[in-house]
Amino acid sequence: EAEVAQSPRYKITEKSQAVAFWCDPISGHATLYWYRQILGQGPELLVQFQDESVVDDSQLPKDRFSAERLKGVDSTLKIQPAELGDSAMYLCASSSLTSGGATDTQYFGPGTRLTVL
Amino acid sequence: DAKTTQPNSMESNEEEPVHLPCNHSTISGTDYIHWYRQLPSQGPEYVIHGLTSNVNNRMASLAIAEDRKSSTLILHRATLRDAAVYYCILRRYGGSQGNLIFGKGTKLSVKP
Repeated sequence: EAEVAQSPRYKITEKSQAVAFWCDPISGHATLYWYRQILGQGPELLVQFQDESVVDDSQLPKDRFSAERLKGVDSTLKIQPAELGDSAMYLCASSSLTSGGATDTQYFGPGTRLTVL
Repeated sequence: DAKTTQPNSMESNEEEPVHLPCNHSTISGTDYIHWYRQLPSQGPEYVIHGLTSNVNNRMASLAIAEDRKSSTLILHRATLRDAAVYYCILRRYGGSQGNLIFGKGTKLSVKP
């Protein structure tokens, strides 16, 4: 069964350092999402791509976060500089996005657990 | 997007049925009801979704009230592997670009 791949699974960094996370969606899925999940809460959307274009990045802290999906396949999320409050799980998901987004299934990767010291 | 309300936590015994409730009193006619669950240290996974009629799949059943203001996810025989946080999410046809808006969900504990 096809899966969403993410790496690394765990990342420890010091504040003010740069970190990057990678996501490889399920083959053929045009829509890719990055979510952030703080401990004890549900995931929150950071950015959504349709192919290589950003559809929604309204919740992405653009002063320090950036995301790209250059060829419309895999994607990278970067934080520079990292802050203590960025400690969280970063989840990637993909879908084929049909029916106006109401019935498609999103498939999540295992996430990257970031700890900022 | 309309809001959902779920209990913070529930307990169940292994091999017994579990009914997880969700209230969505402000649901609109084009809102689909989705359930995802998140096992410990994993990303969320899709469970089931429906619009008006009850739905069944290999994982669970979804019972939707006639007025659609509430729904219940039914696990017919809970196993230890079903211990997870269960999220009830409304998604509007033609609405917000497709992203899922998660609440805090219901943490289900399953006792052997």
